[in-house]
Amino acid sequence: GAVVSQHPSWVICKSGTSVKIECRSLDFQATTMFWYRQFPKQSLMLMATSNEGSKATYEQGVEKDKFLINHASLTLSTLTVTSAHPEDSSFYICSARDPYVRSYEQYFGPGTRLTVT
Amino acid sequence: GENVEQHPSTLSVQEGDSAVIKCTYSDSASNYFPWYKQELGKRPQLIIDIRSNVGEKKDQRIAVTLNKTAKHFSLHITETQPEDSAVYFCAASQGQAGTALIFGKGTTLSVSS
Repeated sequence: GAVVSQHPSWVICKSGTSVKIECRSLDFQATTMFWYRQFPKQSLMLMATSNEGSKATYEQGVEKDKFLINHASLTLSTLTVTSAHPEDSSFYICSARDPYVRSYEQYFGPGTRLTVT
Repeated sequence: GENVEQHPSTLSVQEGDSAVIKCTYSDSASNYFPWYKQELGKRPQLIIDIRSNVGEKKDQRIAVTLNKTAKHFSLHITETQPEDSAVYFCAASQGQAGTALIFGKGTTLSVSS
């Protein structure tokens, strides 16, 4: 199947700083990517839909000025957590579907563990 | 928007028994229903999926059934083994349109030997 990578796999940052997470589709072009957040022992919650060449669509309750999403190419979407606070500590996962195959399967990155101290 | 409800939140079975997890969805436009197994700290792993044009799909010990009229789908695991112990999530989306997956809250399955 298709491969999606994320970088970094884990990051620790200080409160008030910003951190960027990259999501790459390695062997297919993804016009759309999705960002999820998962708190411990909870489900994956959709944060935003990232569209190549246009603005991201954010879910209700997700601050677009705090979680900046850029999808500048067909294989890369980035999520920047600005002015991070301890409550932003979470597991962030991206996913994408290969639009050129008949399968509806979405491919997930390995996730990024963010800890804000 | 889509809302997915999943039950039960925890399920304990003896090795060899069957396990059933149920989900309901709200958006009649959803047409793709995958099930994932997730181990701690790792990405969700697709174990089986079904499209709305099919009522049932089976892959060895795992099967999924879909009732479009009632808007619910279920995961069936037969002959459970200790390695089946994990968190399972159902999800729904408009697969053809490439929309995001909306997940249920998850079921923690424990299989004791």
